[in-house]
Amino acid sequence: EVQLLESGGGLVQPGGSLRLSCAASGFTFSTYAMSWVRQAPGKGLEWVSAICGSCGSAYYADSVKGRFTISRDNSKNTLYLQMNSLRAEDTAVYYCAKGGVDRAPWAWYFDLWGRGTLVTVSS
Amino acid sequence: ETVLTQSPGTLSLSPGERATLSCRASQSVRSGYLAWYQQKPGQAPRLLIYDASNRATGIPDRFSGSGSGSDFTLTVSRLEPEDFAVYYCHHYGTSPPTFGQGTKVEIK
Repeated sequence: EVQLLESGGGLVQPGGSLRLSCAASGFTFSTYAMSWVRQAPGKGLEWVSAICGSCGSAYYADSVKGRFTISRDNSKNTLYLQMNSLRAEDTAVYYCAKGGVDRAPWAWYFDLWGRGTLVTVSS
Repeated sequence: ETVLTQSPGTLSLSPGERATLSCRASQSVRSGYLAWYQQKPGQAPRLLIYDASNRATGIPDRFSGSGSGSDFTLTVSRLEPEDFAVYYCHHYGTSPPTFGQGTKVEIK
């Protein structure tokens, strides 16, 4: 079955860190660009970061640049998001989403989404 | 950054009626790289339309997308009960990609 499954969310204090994981199955993970998209409670969608299949290039929204790091382990079919210096405004459901191939990793629609993992930043 | 403005914010319609949702970009969307998603409460978004007018796999043909440049439209020809949800447009023509704020289609 083609699916994405996020994990690693939880409650963290402002200034803290958290690492999200996204396990992929059912497709050739290493081929595809992947992204993280978040949704604050009751709000719309916000693109966070993208990484290409195997080139190593990564891109970030200005709101997380310098604090978040996207990475992937193609041998484990897993995408990661390391989140440091967390702020209250980072509170959201974080989705991983599958892009495509042969273009910049941000230049894709998302044809497969995980169920999301909730990150709550609060003291 | 390209800002996407969706209208209306809420659309109140009855099953069987036609829904027309608008997405306007603050600048022209390169190559028509515009997608539409449907999201129901507690669920992840689902891709409906990509590249402005191409239906995603498994999407019923009552959903159609059109437009170019900076004006795009999602049309649901006849609303089914399962179509009442929030719809988002998303451009991926330039970095950063952005989403519209959403249109809620509710039962009248």
